[in-house]
Amino acid sequence: AQSVSQHNHHVILSEAASLELGCNYSYGGTVNLFWYVQYPGQHLQLLLKYFSGDPLVKGIKGFEAEFIKSKFSFNLRKPSVQWSDTAEYFCAVNAIYNNNDMRFGAGTRLTVKP
Amino acid sequence: DGGITQSPKYLFRKEGQNVTLSCEQNLNHDAMYWYRQDPGQGLRLIYYSQIVNDFQKGDIAEGYSVSREKKESFPLTVTSAQKNPTAFYLCASSSGRADYNSPLHFGNGTRLTVT
Repeated sequence: AQSVSQHNHHVILSEAASLELGCNYSYGGTVNLFWYVQYPGQHLQLLLKYFSGDPLVKGIKGFEAEFIKSKFSFNLRKPSVQWSDTAEYFCAVNAIYNNNDMRFGAGTRLTVKP
Repeated sequence: DGGITQSPKYLFRKEGQNVTLSCEQNLNHDAMYWYRQDPGQGLRLIYYSQIVNDFQKGDIAEGYSVSREKKESFPLTVTSAQKNPTAFYLCASSSGRADYNSPLHFGNGTRLTVT
């Protein structure tokens, strides 16, 4: 089964700083890639997803992610973070044609200081 | 409104007792999933089901059991064989087999405490 690694466990930034959260996966076949976000006290929700086409995908709230197939990576970026971006971010991988099970990384907690 | 309902929100049990967590969805989704969320470990897949009367083990299925008798329901039983059952349990669903691009929709979770 596929596995997902998120390198940063806790990231602390000041407002307006740029953000990049790393995500790598291990699976040789075709994948769909997702970033989910969990704001404090709320349930997980989709931030963005990649399944084909342009490897640079844009999501809600100014987030974007780039799929680099050769590096098995799907890093999340935002040029300028806001205090309201404080949340936990999860990368997830769906191995297509492999029972459609969704695997998640351990998550990265982002704290944005005002 | 369509969504996923998990009940109860908090659940307390004595060690050695089985306990069943409820998950119901009215999204007409084929696929349903159970995850366990522990601090620092993210979401780990317990069981998933692509279609009624069919389900597969995830990464940490030992000590758990599921059933999928109806499309809208996917209850999870935490048995006494589960060595460390205290955790936050999340249920999710997606359009499933026919649509690999579909994201997951999550419930609000059940926090189980076993003493």
